Amino acid sequence: SQTIHQWPATLVQPVGSPLSLECTVEGTSNPNLYWYRQAAGRGLQLLFYSVGIGQISSEVPQNLSASRPQDRQFILSSKKLLLSDSGFYLCAWSVRRTYPLTDTQYFGPGTRLTVL
Amino acid sequence: KQEVTQIPAALSVPEGENLVLNCSFTDSAIYNLQWFRQDPGKGLTSLLLIQSSQREQTSGRLNASLDKSSGRSTLYIAASQPGDSATYLCAVNTIQGAQKLVFGQGTRLTINP
Repeated sequence: SQTIHQWPATLVQPVGSPLSLECTVEGTSNPNLYWYRQAAGRGLQLLFYSVGIGQISSEVPQNLSASRPQDRQFILSSKKLLLSDSGFYLCAWSVRRTYPLTDTQYFGPGTRLTVL
Repeated sequence: KQEVTQIPAALSVPEGENLVLNCSFTDSAIYNLQWFRQDPGKGLTSLLLIQSSQREQTSGRLNASLDKSSGRSTLYIAASQPGDSATYLCAVNTIQGAQKLVFGQGTRLTINP
């Protein structure tokens, strides 16, 4: 069966510090991978998605970046955190199919980030 | 730009009642629609996925319907239980391949024993 891991589970960081959140998927190959952010009082927002190693698409301009160094590893980073980066960060994966072209997304347990 | 709206924002009902959660979207050119459940402080759990060619999907006490032309979906929960208490999120897929989901704000459901 497939599982998705995220770490750390919680993180408290000062403004201006760097960030690295990691997501790994087990039990599948060539998944699509996604990073979402859920901020207080706001809905889930897609930040990045990836259809393969080294292939990253950004959805919103921000001081965050993403990388996919391995097939089942997705990393969210920042060089300098802002207060507005606080939120609940969720990683997700989906099977890449030819038909139907879209499939269910499966979410990880999330990382709660507080920037002080 | 696709926008997804969920009404009501919060709902509280006694145990055993049947209930309906609503989701509407502005652009009917979707590929599928998903319903998720989120418990406090947790990730999302996929409940049902309806492809654009389908009218409804069922899983246990849950039934989701889709009317793509009118931009609406409903999630029907039969014989509600306290364990159903959670936030329910609706999301639509706006592009093929990488499945970029657009989420609603969710409905926070409380089932009272």
